[in-house]
Amino acid sequence: GAVVSQHPSRVICKSGTSVKIECRSLDFQATTMFWYRQFPKQSLMLMATSNEGSKATYEQGVEKDKFLINHASLTLSTLTVTSAHPEDSSFYICSASQAGYGRDTEAFFGQGTRLTVV
Amino acid sequence: GNSVTQMEGPVTLSEEAFLTINCTYTATGYPSLFWYVQYPGEGLQLLLKATKADDKGSNKGFEATYRKETTSFHLEKGSVQVSDSAVYFCALIPSGGSNYKLTFGKGTLLTVNP
Repeated sequence: GAVVSQHPSRVICKSGTSVKIECRSLDFQATTMFWYRQFPKQSLMLMATSNEGSKATYEQGVEKDKFLINHASLTLSTLTVTSAHPEDSSFYICSASQAGYGRDTEAFFGQGTRLTVV
Repeated sequence: GNSVTQMEGPVTLSEEAFLTINCTYTATGYPSLFWYVQYPGEGLQLLLKATKADDKGSNKGFEATYRKETTSFHLEKGSVQVSDSAVYFCALIPSGGSNYKLTFGKGTLLTVNP
Protein backbone atom coordinates (compact mmCIF):
# COMPACT_ATOMS: atom_id res chain seq x y z
CA GLY A 1 0.00 0.00 0.00
CA ALA A 2 0.89 3.65 -0.15
CA VAL A 3 3.12 5.17 2.52
CA VAL A 4 2.35 8.09 4.78
CA SER A 5 5.22 9.41 6.85
CA GLN A 6 4.63 11.42 10.00
CA HIS A 7 7.33 13.35 11.81
CA PRO A 8 8.36 13.53 14.57
CA SER A 9 7.27 10.28 16.17
CA ARG A 10 7.80 11.70 19.65
CA VAL A 11 8.21 15.23 20.92
CA ILE A 12 8.47 16.79 24.35
CA CYS A 13 7.98 20.52 24.64
CA LYS A 14 7.64 23.13 27.32
CA SER A 15 4.30 24.64 28.16
CA GLY A 16 3.64 27.77 26.11
CA THR A 17 5.72 26.77 23.11
CA SER A 18 4.46 25.64 19.70
CA VAL A 19 5.04 22.30 18.05
CA LYS A 20 4.75 21.42 14.37
CA ILE A 21 3.90 17.91 13.16
CA GLU A 22 4.37 16.96 9.52
CA CYS A 23 2.42 14.44 7.51
CA ARG A 24 3.74 13.44 4.09
CA SER A 25 2.38 11.12 1.44
CA LEU A 26 5.51 9.58 -0.02
CA ASP A 27 4.35 7.92 -3.22
CA PHE A 28 0.97 9.39 -4.04
CA GLN A 29 -0.83 12.70 -4.20
CA ALA A 30 -3.25 13.39 -1.39
CA THR A 31 -5.78 16.12 -1.99
CA THR A 32 -7.23 15.42 1.43
CA MET A 33 -5.54 14.58 4.70
CA PHE A 34 -7.13 13.99 8.07
CA TRP A 35 -5.81 14.72 11.54
CA TYR A 36 -6.88 12.58 14.51
CA ARG A 37 -6.19 12.74 18.20
CA GLN A 38 -6.16 9.77 20.52
CA PHE A 39 -6.42 10.00 24.28
CA PRO A 40 -5.28 7.05 26.41
CA LYS A 41 -7.76 4.18 26.16
CA GLN A 42 -10.00 6.27 23.91
CA SER A 43 -10.99 6.22 20.27
CA LEU A 44 -9.19 8.18 17.61
CA MET A 45 -11.15 11.40 17.32
CA LEU A 46 -11.17 13.28 14.03
CA MET A 47 -9.92 16.81 14.59
CA ALA A 48 -9.97 18.28 11.12
CA THR A 49 -9.97 17.62 7.41
CA SER A 50 -7.11 19.23 5.54
CA ASN A 51 -7.68 20.16 1.92
CA GLU A 52 -4.83 21.12 -0.38
CA GLY A 53 -4.91 24.78 -1.26
CA SER A 54 -7.82 25.70 0.99
CA LYS A 55 -8.70 26.13 4.62
CA ALA A 56 -9.06 23.11 6.83
CA THR A 57 -12.45 21.99 8.05
CA TYR A 58 -12.49 21.54 11.81
CA GLU A 59 -14.74 19.24 13.78
CA GLN A 60 -17.01 20.67 16.40
CA GLY A 61 -15.20 21.55 19.59
CA VAL A 62 -11.73 21.74 18.02
CA GLU A 63 -10.09 25.16 18.35
CA LYS A 64 -8.84 26.24 14.95
CA ASP A 65 -6.57 28.89 16.44
CA LYS A 66 -5.03 26.31 18.73
CA PHE A 67 -4.49 23.62 16.12
CA LEU A 68 -3.27 25.27 12.94
CA ILE A 69 -3.39 23.14 9.83
CA ASN A 70 -1.65 23.91 6.58
CA HIS A 71 -1.89 21.77 3.47
CA ALA A 72 0.50 23.57 1.15
CA SER A 73 1.07 20.82 -1.37
CA LEU A 74 -0.41 17.54 -2.54
CA THR A 75 2.09 15.62 -0.42
CA LEU A 76 2.39 17.61 2.78
CA SER A 77 0.08 18.71 5.57
CA THR A 78 1.24 20.19 8.86
CA LEU A 79 -0.44 20.46 12.24
CA THR A 80 0.90 23.12 14.60
CA VAL A 81 -0.13 22.99 18.22
CA THR A 82 0.21 26.59 19.36
CA SER A 83 0.92 27.67 22.93
CA ALA A 84 0.87 24.08 24.04
CA HIS A 85 -0.33 23.12 27.50
CA PRO A 86 -0.15 19.82 29.38
CA GLU A 87 -3.75 19.02 28.42
CA ASP A 88 -2.64 19.00 24.78
CA SER A 89 -0.45 15.99 25.51
CA SER A 90 -1.79 13.22 23.35
CA PHE A 91 -1.19 10.95 20.39
CA TYR A 92 -1.78 12.69 17.06
CA ILE A 93 -2.13 10.71 13.85
CA CYS A 94 -2.72 11.72 10.26
CA SER A 95 -4.18 9.89 7.32
CA ALA A 96 -4.26 10.62 3.62
CA SER A 97 -6.42 9.55 0.73
CA GLN A 98 -5.52 9.61 -2.89
CA ALA A 99 -7.12 12.08 -5.24
CA GLY A 100 -10.68 11.18 -6.15
CA TYR A 101 -11.41 9.54 -2.81
CA GLY A 102 -14.74 8.11 -1.90
CA ARG A 103 -16.21 5.70 0.61
CA ASP A 104 -14.39 2.83 -1.01
CA THR A 105 -11.03 4.56 -1.27
CA GLU A 106 -8.52 3.45 1.32
CA ALA A 107 -7.00 5.97 3.70
CA PHE A 108 -3.37 5.45 4.64
CA PHE A 109 -2.16 6.35 8.10
CA GLY A 110 1.04 7.78 9.45
CA GLN A 111 2.71 6.19 12.45
CA GLY A 112 1.54 8.89 14.80
CA THR A 113 3.21 11.51 17.00
CA ARG A 114 3.32 11.27 20.77
CA LEU A 115 3.26 14.83 22.13
CA THR A 116 4.14 15.45 25.75
CA VAL A 117 3.87 18.98 27.12
CA VAL A 118 5.72 19.59 30.37
CA GLY B 1 -24.65 10.32 15.98
CA ASN B 2 -22.43 7.56 14.68
CA SER B 3 -20.49 5.41 17.10
CA VAL B 4 -18.51 2.20 17.31
CA THR B 5 -18.27 0.01 20.40
CA GLN B 6 -15.69 -2.73 20.61
CA MET B 7 -14.75 -5.07 23.39
CA GLU B 8 -12.29 -3.71 25.87
CA GLY B 9 -8.95 -5.33 26.12
CA PRO B 10 -6.42 -6.30 26.69
CA VAL B 11 -6.94 -9.73 25.19
CA THR B 12 -4.22 -12.28 25.86
CA LEU B 13 -4.17 -15.58 23.99
CA SER B 14 -1.84 -18.46 23.41
CA GLU B 15 -0.58 -19.18 19.92
CA GLU B 16 -3.07 -21.11 17.76
CA ALA B 17 -6.03 -20.05 19.90
CA PHE B 18 -9.28 -18.81 18.37
CA LEU B 19 -9.79 -15.05 18.38
CA THR B 20 -12.98 -13.02 18.50
CA ILE B 21 -13.07 -9.27 18.99
CA ASN B 22 -16.60 -7.96 19.17
CA CYS B 23 -17.66 -4.76 17.43
CA THR B 24 -21.08 -3.18 17.24
CA TYR B 25 -22.02 0.10 15.67
CA THR B 26 -24.67 2.80 15.71
CA ALA B 27 -25.36 4.56 12.45
CA THR B 28 -28.23 5.31 10.14
CA GLY B 29 -28.55 3.54 6.84
CA TYR B 30 -25.76 1.31 5.61
CA PRO B 31 -22.33 2.44 6.71
CA SER B 32 -19.12 0.91 5.41
CA LEU B 33 -17.32 -1.08 8.11
CA PHE B 34 -13.60 -1.57 8.64
CA TRP B 35 -11.04 -3.25 10.81
CA TYR B 36 -7.68 -1.53 11.16
CA VAL B 37 -4.59 -2.94 12.85
CA GLN B 38 -1.76 -1.03 14.49
CA TYR B 39 1.44 -2.95 15.08
CA PRO B 40 3.84 -1.59 17.72
CA GLY B 41 5.51 1.60 16.57
CA GLU B 42 3.62 1.74 13.29
CA GLY B 43 0.61 3.53 11.84
CA LEU B 44 -2.80 2.03 11.30
CA GLN B 45 -3.19 -0.39 8.42
CA LEU B 46 -6.43 -1.48 6.83
CA LEU B 47 -7.00 -5.14 7.68
CA LEU B 48 -10.35 -5.75 6.02
CA LYS B 49 -13.60 -4.06 5.14
CA ALA B 50 -17.22 -4.65 4.13
CA THR B 51 -19.42 -2.15 2.38
CA LYS B 52 -22.86 -3.78 2.44
CA ALA B 53 -24.93 -6.07 4.57
CA ASP B 54 -23.90 -9.75 4.65
CA ASP B 55 -20.55 -8.98 3.02
CA LYS B 56 -17.60 -10.80 4.53
CA GLY B 57 -14.24 -9.09 4.63
CA SER B 58 -11.17 -11.28 4.94
CA ASN B 59 -7.41 -10.88 4.99
CA LYS B 60 -4.42 -12.70 6.52
CA GLY B 61 -6.72 -15.31 8.04
CA PHE B 62 -8.94 -12.71 9.70
CA GLU B 63 -12.64 -12.48 8.84
CA ALA B 64 -15.57 -10.24 9.72
CA THR B 65 -19.15 -10.34 8.47
CA TYR B 66 -21.35 -7.26 8.16
CA ARG B 67 -24.51 -8.10 10.13
CA LYS B 68 -27.15 -5.44 9.65
CA GLU B 69 -29.69 -7.17 11.89
CA THR B 70 -27.36 -7.10 14.88
CA THR B 71 -25.38 -4.01 13.77
CA SER B 72 -22.19 -5.98 14.30
CA PHE B 73 -18.87 -6.60 12.56
CA HIS B 74 -17.02 -9.03 14.82
CA LEU B 75 -13.42 -9.88 13.97
CA GLU B 76 -12.40 -13.54 14.04
CA LYS B 77 -9.34 -15.65 13.36
CA GLY B 78 -9.15 -19.38 13.75
CA SER B 79 -5.53 -19.66 14.86
CA VAL B 80 -3.62 -16.62 16.03
CA GLN B 81 0.15 -16.19 15.81
CA VAL B 82 2.58 -14.20 17.92
CA SER B 83 2.93 -11.81 14.98
CA ASP B 84 -0.77 -10.91 15.31
CA SER B 85 -0.02 -9.05 18.54
CA ALA B 86 -1.25 -5.50 17.89
CA VAL B 87 -4.06 -3.06 18.57
CA TYR B 88 -7.20 -3.65 16.51
CA PHE B 89 -9.65 -0.86 15.68
CA CYS B 90 -13.17 -1.26 14.38
CA ALA B 91 -14.38 1.73 12.36
CA LEU B 92 -17.16 2.95 10.10
CA ILE B 93 -17.86 5.50 7.43
CA PRO B 94 -21.50 6.61 7.45
CA SER B 95 -23.68 6.17 4.42
CA GLY B 96 -24.24 9.25 2.36
CA GLY B 97 -22.00 12.31 2.33
CA SER B 98 -18.86 12.79 0.35
CA ASN B 99 -16.17 13.01 3.00
CA TYR B 100 -14.05 10.08 3.98
CA LYS B 101 -14.47 10.35 7.74
CA LEU B 102 -13.81 7.35 9.88
CA THR B 103 -15.45 6.86 13.26
CA PHE B 104 -13.30 4.56 15.37
CA GLY B 105 -13.84 2.31 18.32
CA LYS B 106 -11.45 2.56 21.26
CA GLY B 107 -9.19 -0.20 20.06
CA THR B 108 -8.46 -3.62 21.51
CA LEU B 109 -4.94 -4.65 22.44
CA LEU B 110 -4.22 -8.26 21.52
CA THR B 111 -1.20 -10.07 22.91
CA VAL B 112 -0.41 -13.54 21.64
CA ASN B 113 2.04 -15.58 23.68
CA PRO B 114 4.12 -18.44 22.24
